[in-house]
Amino acid sequence: RKEVEQDPGPFNVPEGATVAFNCTYSNSASQSFFWYRQDCRKEPKLLMSVYSSGNEDGRFTAQLNRASQYISLLIRDSKLSDSATYLCVAQWSYQKVTFGTGTKLQVIP
Amino acid sequence: EAGVVQSPRYKIIEKKQPVAFWCNPISGHNTLYWYRQNLGQGPELLIRYENEEAVDDSQLPKDRFSAERLKGVDSTLKIQPAELGDSAVYLCASSPGRLGQETQYFGPGTRLLVL
Repeated sequence: RKEVEQDPGPFNVPEGATVAFNCTYSNSASQSFFWYRQDCRKEPKLLMSVYSSGNEDGRFTAQLNRASQYISLLIRDSKLSDSATYLCVAQWSYQKVTFGTGTKLQVIP
Repeated sequence: EAGVVQSPRYKIIEKKQPVAFWCNPISGHNTLYWYRQNLGQGPELLIRYENEEAVDDSQLPKDRFSAERLKGVDSTLKIQPAELGDSAVYLCASSPGRLGQETQYFGPGTRLLVL
């Protein structure tokens, strides 16, 4: 079993739609979680950290469920510019980090 | 502030040839990572440095890959000899290395094609 698993997609959604991605992790000792965004042929960039209490940044909401060992990302009012691959990251043992394979999102007009 | 710098951006070599990648992290960042990313996959950690010390190289194929970070600043990743399966994007990232400041900043990557 992979340490961090994501549905690769693609998720094809119309503009304005709400879309959610889940990511499961196998190491219960994982302490920090992040969502990175990667555009085609570009490097990953931090989208947001994921906190235990959940956090929101504009149209983006991240949640952590430690009991079920998954994190989620919710995107509201999808824009064409949201089209990208979203990478889930779990981190433990101080900086030991694993990326998921990514979920591809395509927002269509 | 300058970001993570990597060179070269692209490299095409024949199999069995050596190749080296260079990375200059963000100034003041103690932690440096080398990743390999294959098409359609997430980045796979090869090695992580805390200053000049390699603290996690468990995923580095040591028979052909080597890395160094002399003086704890810039770093070089080498493959010798390269194999066809080494074709990938090699990403370097850095982070401040302090608890609570774990965000990684990635360079643009080096695209390697082994023929």
